[in-house]
Amino acid sequence: SQQGEEDPQALSIQEGENATMNCSYKTSINNLQWYRQNSGRGLVHLILIRSNEREKHSGRLRVTLDTSKKSSSLLITASRAADTASYFCATEPYNNNDMRFGAGTRLTVKP
Amino acid sequence: EAGVAQSPRYKIIEKRQSVAFWCNPISGHATLYWYQQILGQGPKLLIQFQNNGVVDDSQLPKDRFSAERLKGVDSTLKIQPAKLEDSAVYLCASSLEPGVYEQYFGPGTRLTVT
Repeated sequence: SQQGEEDPQALSIQEGENATMNCSYKTSINNLQWYRQNSGRGLVHLILIRSNEREKHSGRLRVTLDTSKKSSSLLITASRAADTASYFCATEPYNNNDMRFGAGTRLTVKP
Repeated sequence: EAGVAQSPRYKIIEKRQSVAFWCNPISGHATLYWYQQILGQGPKLLIQFQNNGVVDDSQLPKDRFSAERLKGVDSTLKIQPAKLEDSAVYLCASSLEPGVYEQYFGPGTRLTVT
């Protein structure tokens, strides 16, 4: 069964705008990861945030984690056409090493 | 550094036939995963190996799916007999250890069952 649920299912923005995607999950976790998938490069890891962390940055990416609300958000700033892809959150449940992926957010960045 | 290798990239079979997929993880990665990704959905974990032992196969349909990882390196995933609903992309991933390490994914095998 899938643990995370991304919101929205699809998002379309103009190049240069910011994109925010949300992930909600159901059970306590050890960590949460965000992945990107496009036809050219397959599924690629973006960022990992541990359960005791609240925010992480990597280049134009900013991830937040609120364990009290069981939710995370991924912000992509100054988006580019190359950011067009599906974005998935994956959670590792507490005391369990298997990763559970959500259904993803399909992001389209228009040039 | 070489990535995760998978073969074949594409496979078309008829229902009730059998099929096998192969995966070679990144050298030194102890953990290997097989995922099934149906169109429009996220990857679903089928089985996880730590070296050559199974850590989790709770979502593997064991009546038709089997997987092995001999010598703790390469792995094969087999479906016998295939059903129409098995049409999906089968992804292999590896990581240094389970848990807090990122997973590296292969390009996947797109299976079509007719």
